[in-house]
Amino acid sequence: GAVVSQHPSWVICKSGTSVKIECRSLDFQATTMFWYRQFPKQSLMLMATSNEGSKATYEQGVEKDKFLINHASLTLSTLTVTSAHPEDSSFYICSARIKNTEAFFGQGTRLTVV
Amino acid sequence: DAKTTQPPSMDCAEGRAANLPCNHSTISGNEYVYWYRQIHSQGPQYIIHGLKNNETNEMASLIITEDRKSSTLILPHATLRDTAVYYCIVRVAHSGAGSYQLTFGKGTKLSVIP
Repeated sequence: GAVVSQHPSWVICKSGTSVKIECRSLDFQATTMFWYRQFPKQSLMLMATSNEGSKATYEQGVEKDKFLINHASLTLSTLTVTSAHPEDSSFYICSARIKNTEAFFGQGTRLTVV
Repeated sequence: DAKTTQPPSMDCAEGRAANLPCNHSTISGNEYVYWYRQIHSQGPQYIIHGLKNNETNEMASLIITEDRKSSTLILPHATLRDTAVYYCIVRVAHSGAGSYQLTFGKGTKLSVIP
């Protein structure tokens, strides 16, 4: 299957700082990318959907000013967690797909805010 | 999208076939059945999908009942590396980019036992 890569795989940051997570489709051009969050022992929760060149669509309850998503090209989307707090500690996962085909997922980024 | 129901957990002996059931009694005629799995601390991995006909690939087989209200994912010879949470997801088939998203339930935690 297609390869989606996230960077970094894990990050520890201080409370109040911002963290950027990158999601790249390595061998295909992704028309749509998704960002999910997963808390321990829970399922994936969709945060937002982004199409290249347009603003992201956020799910209800997800603060767009806190979780900034940029989808500048067909192979790169970034999620920036601004003014991170301990409750933002989670496993963040991106996925990417071409039009209406199956979605492929990155390996995830473990964020710990201390 | 139609809701799915899966057993929370299952065990399977190594080398035996693992049969994972999924109920989707409210599925509509234009909704696909997708299966993903998530190995601990990794992003989900695409397995297979289908609409009406049974499907098989190098990873698994998908059996969809004639009324499409349920399906079974079959791993023909389970190995220890198949231990994961398996998610059954239905989604509407739309045309155009950005037209569908995957909603994850709680899935089935499959434990392959030596």
